[in-house]
Amino acid sequence: AQSVTQLGSHVSVSEGALVLLRCNYSSSVPPYLFWYVQYPNQGLQLLLKYTSAATLVKGINGFEAEFKKSETSFHLTKPSAHMSDAAEYFCAANSGGGADGLTFGKGTHLIIQP
Amino acid sequence: GAVVSQHPSRVICKSGTSVKIECRSLDFQATTMFWYRQFPKQSLMLMATSNEGSKATYEQGVEKDKFLINHASLTLSTLTVTSAHPEDSSFYICSALQGARSDTQYFGPGTRLTVL
Repeated sequence: AQSVTQLGSHVSVSEGALVLLRCNYSSSVPPYLFWYVQYPNQGLQLLLKYTSAATLVKGINGFEAEFKKSETSFHLTKPSAHMSDAAEYFCAANSGGGADGLTFGKGTHLIIQP
Repeated sequence: GAVVSQHPSRVICKSGTSVKIECRSLDFQATTMFWYRQFPKQSLMLMATSNEGSKATYEQGVEKDKFLINHASLTLSTLTVTSAHPEDSSFYICSALQGARSDTQYFGPGTRLTVL
């Protein structure tokens, strides 16, 4: 069975500092990987996705993630945090078939300190 | 583009009643939609996969007779929680694939169900 692990339920960074949110997957076959953001009382918004093309993926709002097969990781980064980045971030995976549901990590709450 | 809506956004019902939640793809056709459940401060759990014109596929542990899913058109899927109990209180979120060969799910804003 596939699983997604997000290390750290809460991450706090200062405004302007590097954001690093960790995600590891467990799958015998490299899956498709996604990062979603959820603002309070809103639905999930896609930040970026990896679908077996380029391993460094750039998304919206200055976020990017790198797929590392050897480490089974797909960490999300942003060079400089902004107050508006405060939200819940979810890493998700599926088996690579478009018709498959997603397996989500438990989420990481990103706190931005002024 | 790729907007998914849900109705209602919030619903409160009495124990034993049934509640229907609608999920609509507003600007695209969705042959496949998904239903997830999110408990407070927890992650999303896939409940079922809904394909237009066919029976839904439920994840292990999800009661088919309790969570009825209907995907009667390419833009609408409904989830009916039958004989609701307080433990069914949760945040229900749907998503839709934009096109039969898409790999990206677009999510609705969710429906907060409270069963008294």
